[in-house]
Amino acid sequence: NAGVTQTPKFQVLKTGQSMTLQCAQDMNHNSMYWYRQDPGMGLRLIYYSASEGTTDKGEVPNGYNVSRLNKREFSLRLESAAPSQTSVYFCASSEEAVGWVSGTQYFGPGTRLLVL
Amino acid sequence: GQQLNQSPQSMFIQEGEDVSMNCTSSSIFNTWLWYKQDPGEGPVLLIALYKAGELTSNGRLTAQFGITRKDSFLNISASIPSDVGIYFCAGQRGSNYKLTFGKGTLLTVNP
Repeated sequence: NAGVTQTPKFQVLKTGQSMTLQCAQDMNHNSMYWYRQDPGMGLRLIYYSASEGTTDKGEVPNGYNVSRLNKREFSLRLESAAPSQTSVYFCASSEEAVGWVSGTQYFGPGTRLLVL
Repeated sequence: GQQLNQSPQSMFIQEGEDVSMNCTSSSIFNTWLWYKQDPGEGPVLLIALYKAGELTSNGRLTAQFGITRKDSFLNISASIPSDVGIYFCAGQRGSNYKLTFGKGTLLTVNP
């Protein structure tokens, strides 16, 4: 199993350009997540999808849109990139919660994005 | 939003030394998780804690879920060079799928 995969690994954009970050998991998980990681800020949740067909905003959703294409794939789109969106983006998926015990999240290798 | 205070921000130690780091919160969490991130990689889960007071080990790593449910500790014994990386705590509340992350502890081990 590949786990969680992300493409591309690196990307440079000019301000105002758009792009889509792709994420796929082969662990049959229902829930998927997009985070951004900035120096000194830890990981912050952008959007998540608790199950196929649903998406919800996280802590920092402004400037992003997401699509849960199917159970395996969850994409993140920047419609008009800004320098403030320069960051490392991580996708994650998680096992089912059992009662109140939340499922463990597994992370992809990340996409490093530079917006000039 | 909820915040986790993770300390220390960074540590420089000699190989063989023990390491301790902790996370505190003003909110109660039902699950505490500890992740390690190697350079250029995504975070990898080290230990998950599900009950207040729980003490769990994974090799040289030991983590505890604080009795108040507002804190957690991670200890690494007899550090080795491959322990280098950023360690993150994360908390989760109830059936909410969202994780709240600390800002990380950067560990450097001198051989």
